[in-house]
Amino acid sequence: DADVTQTPRNRITKTGKRIMLECSQTKGHDRMYWYRQDPGLGLRLIYYSFDVKDINKGEISDGYSVSRQAQAKFSLSLESAIPNQTALYFCATSDFPTGGWETQYFGPGTRLLVL
Amino acid sequence: RKEVEQDPGPFNVPEGATVAFNCTYSNSASQSFFWYRQDCRKEPKLLMSVYSSGNEDGRFTAQLNRASQYISLLIRDSKLSDSATYLCVVIINQGGKLIFGQGTELSVKP
Repeated sequence: DADVTQTPRNRITKTGKRIMLECSQTKGHDRMYWYRQDPGLGLRLIYYSFDVKDINKGEISDGYSVSRQAQAKFSLSLESAIPNQTALYFCATSDFPTGGWETQYFGPGTRLLVL
Repeated sequence: RKEVEQDPGPFNVPEGATVAFNCTYSNSASQSFFWYRQDCRKEPKLLMSVYSSGNEDGRFTAQLNRASQYISLLIRDSKLSDSATYLCVVIINQGGKLIFGQGTELSVKP
């Protein structure tokens, strides 16, 4: 089984709808992240959480909200979807080692199309 | 100016060729550097960390130049399976969030 899973894998929705993307991990990592990827722009950080009680905005948090329900679960919500939120969304986890290097483990991604 | 910028692609090379990618970063406080690989819109995966002294992993060599604020990735003896997008990643503060470059696409042809 995959260590980081995302549901749904694909989603088509209409403008104005509220949707939730879910992420679960079995790696036991404290840190979790949500990114979106658009062609030519790379991955941009939406929100990140360093533990269950710690939620932080990333580079592009407007229009999004998150919930860290447990160490293993981190959900991303689009309160009122708009077409420019059409993108590939990735969840990631990381385990921050003592040495200072940090590897991110990504889920398989959710393709979202907002009509 | 973007915090992390990569060579625009795509790079189209024949099998066996040597290819190099560059990545520049704007924040002199950047502390940690990585190259990730992403296959055809799948999830990115860590390829290698970049150490100050430079490091090699098989056909892949990563270099860091702090004075000029760039990192590089050299791939020798390219294989068809090296075709992917390569992402440069920088961490500004120890334990902080990652900043991704936009990626450089590599296509290795027979």
